[in-house]
Amino acid sequence: DGGITQSPKYLFRKEGQNVTLSCEQNLNHDAMYWYRQDPGQGLRLIYYSQIVNDFQKGDIAEGYSVSREKKESFPLTVTSAQKNPTAFYLCASSEGQLLLSPLHFGNGTRLTVT
Amino acid sequence: QKEVEQNSGPLSVPEGAIASLNCTYSDRGSQSFFWYRQYSGKSPELIMFIYSNGDKEDGRFTAQLNKASQYVSLLIRDSQPSDSATYLCAVNSGSSNTGKLIFGQGTTLQVKP
Repeated sequence: DGGITQSPKYLFRKEGQNVTLSCEQNLNHDAMYWYRQDPGQGLRLIYYSQIVNDFQKGDIAEGYSVSREKKESFPLTVTSAQKNPTAFYLCASSEGQLLLSPLHFGNGTRLTVT
Repeated sequence: QKEVEQNSGPLSVPEGAIASLNCTYSDRGSQSFFWYRQYSGKSPELIMFIYSNGDKEDGRFTAQLNKASQYVSLLIRDSQPSDSATYLCAVNSGSSNTGKLIFGQGTTLQVKP
């Protein structure tokens, strides 16, 4: 079955450590996205990539980094520079530009930093 | 003013009633509009999308779009307890090439048996 796989489901880290969240899709979608969700809030865009080897900052990119070396993979690194990293992280993909193509989400990674 | 606004609720309706969820947006150039359902602790799942003014129906769900009023709504007919969730409205940015989808904070719906 086609879909988006995020791993791990839960992640615990100590403050000051970098951590990488995995996102893999087998939908053959060109575009991939990372969103962050805090309790009681909507989703906020961190980074997105519309083609391999290219990505753009979203609204809250500070303290995060990404890479897009393969079409199916878009890992997100939460660095120690991110002041409030504890959140629910959602990876998504779409066939093309969002004007016509809905987002499809993975199951999310819940990151807790203490 | 927030770019996409929703009443956080909770909106409580009895089983079998019509639930009406509303969303307003600020960017007049927005061209595509999406409704997602999110159960507690889970990721959002797409319910409907709409691009043109008017109504779009899919089973028990109807999306309504009024670009002049910058307003999009979701009607759920014959509401079921399983419809209890948070409903997220999402709007593409007016510059369609940026790939940005702006989400509202969501409306929590409670359907009581």
